[in-house]
Amino acid sequence: QQQVKQSPQSLIVQKGGIPIINCAYENTAFDYFPWYQQFPGKGPALLIAIRPDVSEKKEGRFTISFNKSAKQFSLHIMDSQPGDSATYFCAVQETSGSRLTFGEGTQLTVNP
Amino acid sequence: ETGVTQSPTHLIKTRGQQVTLRCSSQSGHNTVSWYQQALGQGPQFIFQYYREEENGRGNFPPRFSGLQFPNYSSELNVNALELDDSALYLCASRTTYTDTQYFGPGTRLTVL
Repeated sequence: QQQVKQSPQSLIVQKGGIPIINCAYENTAFDYFPWYQQFPGKGPALLIAIRPDVSEKKEGRFTISFNKSAKQFSLHIMDSQPGDSATYFCAVQETSGSRLTFGEGTQLTVNP
Repeated sequence: ETGVTQSPTHLIKTRGQQVTLRCSSQSGHNTVSWYQQALGQGPQFIFQYYREEENGRGNFPPRFSGLQFPNYSSELNVNALELDDSALYLCASRTTYTDTQYFGPGTRLTVL
């Protein structure tokens, strides 16, 4: 059973555009929702994370929007740059454990 | 950089062999998790160690085992290697006071 569904699988935008990546989850026990960025040959790096008690969180050019009733959350990247080209993973986690369950990833390409 | 280190960087083994991968946690982090990331997929949780004991396991067979040492470093052992074990193996560490997991750069295992 796939607990986290991420879309789209790939995304191409122009520099300055606002790519949006979406994730949907099923288990309401999840209460921590991070986004990770991964470059080829590197481990995932935490970008931003949110808890279900807020609907939006901004850190620099990255924003998470969270819809608890729909069990969905999304990542927005403002003023995207070619250096943002990477694979992005959403994940979910229960506070009672450390198990992160990842989405399948979105390969983002930002053209100059 | 997260402060989590892994060794070796790359490893090539043949089917049926055994392998040991190593992880050094970020300073002060007492919980270590291991993940397997197949090419083009999100990381999959293998297991977690806290206070030198396994306290959570994903859907992996017993031939995947681990250890955590008093200094919080950790090992992942895989016996009877199969071709499908070829993947990037990631170690992540955290403290018990935060949900954020910090990933190392990974070990790329190739099984021939």
